[in-house]
Amino acid sequence: DTEVTQTPKHLVMGMTNKKSLKCEQHMGHRAMYWYKQKAKKPPELMFVYSYEKLSINESVPSRFSPECPNSSLLNLHLHALQPEDSALYLCASSPLGGRNTEAFFGQGTRLTVV
Amino acid sequence: GEDVEQSLFLSVREGDSSVINCTYTDSSSTYLYWYKQEPGAGLQLLTYIFSNMDMKQDQRLTVLLNKKDKHLSLRIADTQTGDSAIYFCSHGSSNTGKLIFGQGTTLQVKP
Repeated sequence: DTEVTQTPKHLVMGMTNKKSLKCEQHMGHRAMYWYKQKAKKPPELMFVYSYEKLSINESVPSRFSPECPNSSLLNLHLHALQPEDSALYLCASSPLGGRNTEAFFGQGTRLTVV
Repeated sequence: GEDVEQSLFLSVREGDSSVINCTYTDSSSTYLYWYKQEPGAGLQLLTYIFSNMDMKQDQRLTVLLNKKDKHLSLRIADTQTGDSAIYFCSHGSSNTGKLIFGQGTTLQVKP
């Protein structure tokens, strides 16, 4: 199984809503990532978890709250988002050590904030 | 610096070869990657090359690495309409271990 699975595929939420994005991998990877991608742009790193601990937070606003319940799951909790937060949110995972930056990406969640 | 530069657009005819070019500044990267992104989808790891290699071939894909010029290229032989996508050049930062992406090259394949 070389897949990273993200749910939901599409999400429309109001600025006062609370929602969560979910990500799952069963490749035994111990690093998991959240990226934000705007149209026609490269992905921008948001958070990195290594061994279920938050290792990198790229100065992301607190309305985005990541969580890593175990080595296979990664969540991104959303609250009080702004329309400019509308984007494709990508989850990725990679093994640690060796080619540890070789990341496998999910299909993304297309988020629209209204 | 950790910049990665790519041209933004390439158009080819079906059956021709495509060559997508990339330059980077971090000479200490161990691995360099090519990712493909189709419309509305995530990034698919196409191939990678280890920094002590000059060339890697994988079916229709050939990766060339010129370490002296910090230049990486991806050649797609017999380009098909299904190859139409955005291609991202990427490497792992030697400082932070994070993936550094280029801006992406949109490949348009005309029938």
